[in-house]
Amino acid sequence: GENVEQHPSTLSVQEGDSAVIKCTYSDSASNYFPWYKQELGKGPQLIIDIRSNVGEKKDQRIAVTLNKTAKHFSLHITETQPEDSAVYFCAASTGNQFYFGTGTSLTVIP
Amino acid sequence: GAVVSQHPSRVICKSGTSVKIECRSLDFQATTMFWYRQFPKQSLMLMATSNEGSKATYEQGVEKDKFLINHASLTLSTLTVTSAHPEDSSFYICSAHRGETQYFGPGTRLLVL
Repeated sequence: GENVEQHPSTLSVQEGDSAVIKCTYSDSASNYFPWYKQELGKGPQLIIDIRSNVGEKKDQRIAVTLNKTAKHFSLHITETQPEDSAVYFCAASTGNQFYFGTGTSLTVIP
Repeated sequence: GAVVSQHPSRVICKSGTSVKIECRSLDFQATTMFWYRQFPKQSLMLMATSNEGSKATYEQGVEKDKFLINHASLTLSTLTVTSAHPEDSSFYICSAHRGETQYFGPGTRLLVL
């Protein structure tokens, strides 16, 4: 089955700096890669996603890149703000099945 | 769009009682919903896949008689924790499948005394 690895597990950045979270996957059949943000005590919220036929996608301060050959994808947050502090999960999907990374706890220091 | 609700958001119960958690897709229909369990500072652990009109598919190690799932309509799935014990205390989250994406509910915090 699919195996998704996520790094780092914790990340601290100064407000205004960029944050990068990386994930790798093992199943070349995976074709959809969403990213979720989970705030304390809440359910994960979809923040951005990318499909396998696209190499990069951007939405304001958030961007995701995908390297199908290397089987890795990354989340980039620029100009970080304290409200970006949360746990971020990547996922890889082959269709109905979703495989989640272990999460990255991001802390943005004011 | 793609809003998923859960009820209750928090529940405290005595050991041995049963607790029902509802998951609703508010603005779309979902043939498939998922139930997850999450321990503090850990990732999402898939418990079961709930399919409307058919039996749920449980992940290995999840007791189907303990965690009863019913998906009676395209907008509602329920998870019943039967004869709850303190070790069942956890954060339970549902999600609904729409298109390629899963949309998550806000979660239910269960505390069994």
